[in-house]
Amino acid sequence: AQSVTQLGSHVSVSEGALVLLRCNYSSSVPPYLFWYVQYPNQGLQLLLKYTSAATLVKGINGFEAEFKKSETSFHLTKPSAHMSDAAEYFCAVSVGSSNTGKLIFGQGTTLQVKP
Amino acid sequence: DTGVSQDPRHKITKRGQNVTFRCDPISEHNRLYWYRQTLGQGPEFLTYFQNEAQLEKSRLLSDRFSAERPKGSFSTLEIQRTEQGDSAMYLCASSLTVNSTNEKLFFGSGTQLSVL
Repeated sequence: AQSVTQLGSHVSVSEGALVLLRCNYSSSVPPYLFWYVQYPNQGLQLLLKYTSAATLVKGINGFEAEFKKSETSFHLTKPSAHMSDAAEYFCAVSVGSSNTGKLIFGQGTTLQVKP
Repeated sequence: DTGVSQDPRHKITKRGQNVTFRCDPISEHNRLYWYRQTLGQGPEFLTYFQNEAQLEKSRLLSDRFSAERPKGSFSTLEIQRTEQGDSAMYLCASSLTVNSTNEKLFFGSGTQLSVL
């Protein structure tokens, strides 16, 4: 069985500060991992995905995530937070051993950015 | 490309009533997914279609739920005899996939269902 756990339901940072959103996964097969962002009243948008090509994955809006097998982690980072980054972020794993649209999502982390 | 659209945006119904939601995927996307999201939780997979064929349903999905995708274009999700526990955001997503790998999902804004 596969699962993801997001540590911290709410994260608050100051504008310009480092953003770190934590995600740990459990998978019996090599995982395909994703980060999605959800802005209020909008659909989920893909930020980035890990498909085993490279452990450091760069996404949109300056976000990146590093796959660490030894720690079963896929944490999302951004060097400098912007007010527009305030949203809910979801980590997800693709079910099974292929990269398909059937995903298991974490519970989400709400990012607050303070001026 | 107008994105994935879902209708209605909000639905309020009384317990025991039937409701139907519609999803229009991005044109020519061959896969369509339904997810459900309750407050404070991540989306949960319900079912998906490849063209008009429903390939998988979640074991958690009650028999009161049925989905169709006639002609492989838009899809409808019907909930019969709604219960208060059905209150949630119902999300639709579509993708264009050729060989079942490297899919990218495009999500709609969802239909918020409230069962009174």
